[in-house]
Formats: sequence, C-alpha cells, structure tokens
Amino acid sequence: DGGITQSPKYLFRKEGQNVTLSCEQNLNHDAMYWYRQDPGQGLRLIYYSQIVNDFQKGDIAEGYSVSREKKESFPLTVTSAQKNPTAFYLCASSIATGSYEQYFGPGTRLTVT
Amino acid sequence: SQQGEEDPQALSIQEGENATMNCSYKTSINNLQWYRQNSGRGLVHLILIRSNEREKHSGRLRVTLDTSKKSSSLLITASRAADTASYFCATDPLYDYKLSFGAGTTVTVRA
Repeated sequence: DGGITQSPKYLFRKEGQNVTLSCEQNLNHDAMYWYRQDPGQGLRLIYYSQIVNDFQKGDIAEGYSVSREKKESFPLTVTSAQKNPTAFYLCASSIATGSYEQYFGPGTRLTVT
Repeated sequence: SQQGEEDPQALSIQEGENATMNCSYKTSINNLQWYRQNSGRGLVHLILIRSNEREKHSGRLRVTLDTSKKSSSLLITASRAADTASYFCATDPLYDYKLSFGAGTTVTVRA
C-alpha cells in the first residue's frame, strides 16, 4: 500500500521547545516538500528537496530546518526561533520537482502553547 | 508566494446542482493543477491541465484553462454531499520548480 505517512497526527509542545515532524514515503519519489497551512489559507512552502542530501528553502523557511538523508524520509524540525509555529503541516512528494502531481500525507496539527 | 487566487472563497449548493469555481494567476505557467482537501486532511490531486490544453475532463470534473486571461475554472457536475471540501488551484510557473497554491474555495453541498 504505497503512500505518504506523517506522524503524529496531533502534537502539543511548550513554547521554546524544538519539535520534529516525521514524513515517510514509499512511492520511490525523488522530490519531497513541506507546507504550512493556516486556517482559511492556502499552502505555503517551507522547504523542498529534489534529491537525497539536497534541500532548498521555500517561501517561509525561517525558524524551520530539514534533512534528507534517505530517499524515503524528510523530517521537519520546528525550532524555537519560529515565531508562530501553531499550524497544520503537510508533507508531499512527487516523482520530481516541476510539472508533476504531488501526493500528500494526512498532515500533522501542531499546537504550541 | 501565492500566485493563484480562487473565486469565490465559499460556495453553498444543493445536492445535484453544479459547482463552478475560478482560479486566476499572475505569471506564465507550465501547467495548472486542482486539488481537493477534506476538512483536516491532506490534499488529493484531481486534475492537471497543461498550458497548451484548453479543456480537460475527469469523471464529473471539467477544467478549462485560458492562458490569455491567466485563468482556469473547475466545474463539478451533479454534486454530491461527498464533494463537500475545499478546492485549491496550484500553478507551476515557468522557470520555477515549485507549485504555488491559492487560498482555496470551500464548497458545501447541502442534502
């Protein structure tokens, strides 16, 4: 059963703590993405990776970090430097970057208090 | 940056009616995609239309693209309660590797 998994579905953290969101895919896709979605808004790109050991900043990378050590995995760390981290985080993958359909995970809702 | 903008922001229709939503964008594109998002879930790809195509169908979905007006429309025919969701357009700008998503149209289908 191929797809993208994100864990956990809900995450609660205290302000000042770093937190890592998991994203795994078994679609053999080269490209992976992290998006942030705030209520009533569209998706904003945080980071993307075109290939293993490579990643690029998206539109709102400040306060976030990623790694891409394996093709299947693209974890996102929300650091204490992120001013307003409470949001819905979506991971996606595609065969390659550019003109390809993206497959999305179910999302992680992060609440920081 | 969000290139696509959907209109209207929200739409409420009766089951069986058609739903039409529009997407406008600013710069030239390779293709335009439409996605659906059920509440609290991830996005699901619906359809991709390339810049050299004018119309595309998939089941009850019909998408048009007018590159001269930089706009696209998504028509859902004979709507069902299960079509209740938010619909997003995503543009793939020329010379860029990233999709740009609009803010979405929330569609409510009343039984």
